[in-house]
Amino acid sequence: AQTVTQSQPEMSVQEAETVTLSCTYDTSESDYYLFWYKQPPSRQMILVIRQEAYKQQNATENRFSVNFQKAAKSFSLKISDSQLGDAAMYFCAAYAGGTSYGKLTFGQGTILTVHP
Amino acid sequence: DAGVIQSPRHEVTEMGQEVTLRCKPISGHNSLFWYRQTMMRGLELLIYFNNNVPIDDSGMPEDRFSAKMPNASFSTLKIQPSEPRDSAVYFCASSLNRDRGGGYTFGSGTRLTVV
Repeated sequence: AQTVTQSQPEMSVQEAETVTLSCTYDTSESDYYLFWYKQPPSRQMILVIRQEAYKQQNATENRFSVNFQKAAKSFSLKISDSQLGDAAMYFCAAYAGGTSYGKLTFGQGTILTVHP
Repeated sequence: DAGVIQSPRHEVTEMGQEVTLRCKPISGHNSLFWYRQTMMRGLELLIYFNNNVPIDDSGMPEDRFSAKMPNASFSTLKIQPSEPRDSAVYFCASSLNRDRGGGYTFGSGTRLTVV
């Protein structure tokens, strides 16, 4: 079983600045994957970034990057040069399971507000 | 592909009525998941299927909830009888197992209101 905790219910940032969203997780699996999903007001769930636990290098997708601290079981998301379109609910998620089947467990979510 | 299709998009029903939510996964995906989203509890996994077989239904809140997947292209989540505390957004998602979580495609969700 795995748990995912997001301790920041809400965050805000000025447009063009940088913000970091926090996430901690716990899992008994040795092979797992971590994700950040974005949910704008449209309700659609959008994959932002993915990190394989066996990789030491932090994942990066354009303005989005993660700080993966495996020993501390921490997985934060950094958004650089924030844009108004980044305003959304962000979910951290953990996946454990092989190629047969597995499941995503989500954190509580962080509402991000971007101020112009 | 049109993505994961859920219906209805909105549902308002009276307490005690039966509610059926529907999901059509992406063709070729072999796992299907039902999640419930509320402000208090966030996104909870209710049940998931692999190759049409229920694998884990430990998240189903109580016997009033049931889910079926009669074939690879259709699943239902039924609540009978419904209660006001069932009000939430219900998401269906599908994936290819080999994509290990990163390949989840979510539907647009059904917003259920029980009055």
